[in-house]
Amino acid sequence: GESVGLHLPTLSVQEGDNSIINCAYSNSASDYFIWYKQESGKGPQFIIDIRSNMDKRQGQRVTVLLNKTVKHLSLQIAATQPGDSAVYFCAESYHTGANSKLTFGKGITLSVRP
Amino acid sequence: EAQVTQNPRYLITVTGKKLTVTCSQNMNHEYMSWYRQDPGLGLRQIYYSMNVEVTDKGDVPEGYKVSRKEKRNFPLILESPSPNQTSLYFCASSLLSGLTDTQYFGPGTRLTVL
Repeated sequence: GESVGLHLPTLSVQEGDNSIINCAYSNSASDYFIWYKQESGKGPQFIIDIRSNMDKRQGQRVTVLLNKTVKHLSLQIAATQPGDSAVYFCAESYHTGANSKLTFGKGITLSVRP
Repeated sequence: EAQVTQNPRYLITVTGKKLTVTCSQNMNHEYMSWYRQDPGLGLRQIYYSMNVEVTDKGDVPEGYKVSRKEKRNFPLILESPSPNQTSLYFCASSLLSGLTDTQYFGPGTRLTVL
């Protein structure tokens, strides 16, 4: 079947290098942000999240940075491995009165060169 | 194993023939949601459910129905499928609202409507 990564921008990195994947979000009122990884033929998988009262959060080999001034979110992957090849999505969550909304970005394909 | 399951994984059908895609989670999550994923458009929410017997429209609900009669199951119903509903569908669940909690995704259902 057609890959979800088709038509998406691609970031190509050398194995062992660090990767930085960027995301611009749309709503200054968003208060929770998530990065997902989607491998071919699978559903999105949670990587790391961050709340708006933080500007940096670290996980295992991954770091998320949040710059609320310019509405920018980035995912840094240290020592990129072939298994990191996938489509990466950011998502933002914000409240609208009594309702809340979660919006996903379109995604970026990460390709790791051996 | 904690997981979200969907069935079928692949389905080819014809216009107008009613179909149901099942979704089940074994994590006792309150929140469940359906998304469709299309090239260039990313993940778009169809319907969501905050709890049993509580469902709400997402961004693209037209042509779809859902029900939440029990906590673990959240079927997606297409009463009269049309070719523009050809897509990759994902079910997701999270412990609480889904907006500040990690969402766990199923493996996806690729639907083709001829």
